[in-house]
Amino acid sequence: GNSVTQMEGPVTLSEEAFLTINCTYTATGYPSLFWYVQYPGEGLQLLLKATKADDKGSNKGFEATYRKETTSFHLEKGSVQVSDSAVYFCALSGNGTASKLTFGTGTRLQVTL
Amino acid sequence: EPEVTQTPSHQVTQMGQEVILRCVPISNHLYFYWYRQILGQKVEFLVSFYNNEISEKSEIFDDQFSVERPDGSNFTLKIRSTKLEDSAMYFCASSENRKGVGYTFGSGTRLTVV
Repeated sequence: GNSVTQMEGPVTLSEEAFLTINCTYTATGYPSLFWYVQYPGEGLQLLLKATKADDKGSNKGFEATYRKETTSFHLEKGSVQVSDSAVYFCALSGNGTASKLTFGTGTRLQVTL
Repeated sequence: EPEVTQTPSHQVTQMGQEVILRCVPISNHLYFYWYRQILGQKVEFLVSFYNNEISEKSEIFDDQFSVERPDGSNFTLKIRSTKLEDSAMYFCASSENRKGVGYTFGSGTRLTVV
């Protein structure tokens, strides 16, 4: 079945540092890939997505490239802010009748001044 | 921007009681989902629903769970006899099509079973 593996957290960075959160996946066919963000006490918000190989999703300074050859979708940001502190989930959707999402375990990011 | 609305935001119930979690998906969406997140753990798929029937369900979605779309707007998750381990955040989501276009989550219902 489908699965998503994320790097363990928490990740602690100083403001303006470079962020990478690794994500690899296992899936049959050609899944779509997503990053969701969950701020403290809130629900899941779509951060970015990519629907085919070599697509780059980007939003709010974050970006991730769909790499089929390495089955990866790593999240990057050049300069993090304190307001980016949240839990980040990598997810994929398969090709079923209704596209359920398979999530990774989430990576907590803590950005300090 | 259209939203998926969930009520209540927090529910406390006694073990063995039935609870109904309510969701109003985005009006032109056709696919509906429930997920849960046990505190500090990953988000897990429970069930998907299309054309007034379940499309897919996970192993978690056993006989104590049921879903219903009782009218044109609401989508409910019923847990018949709650257990302590049902305590979690439950998220409803909806999408326009099976490819997940417009996939939107609600803000969740925190269920606490005591």
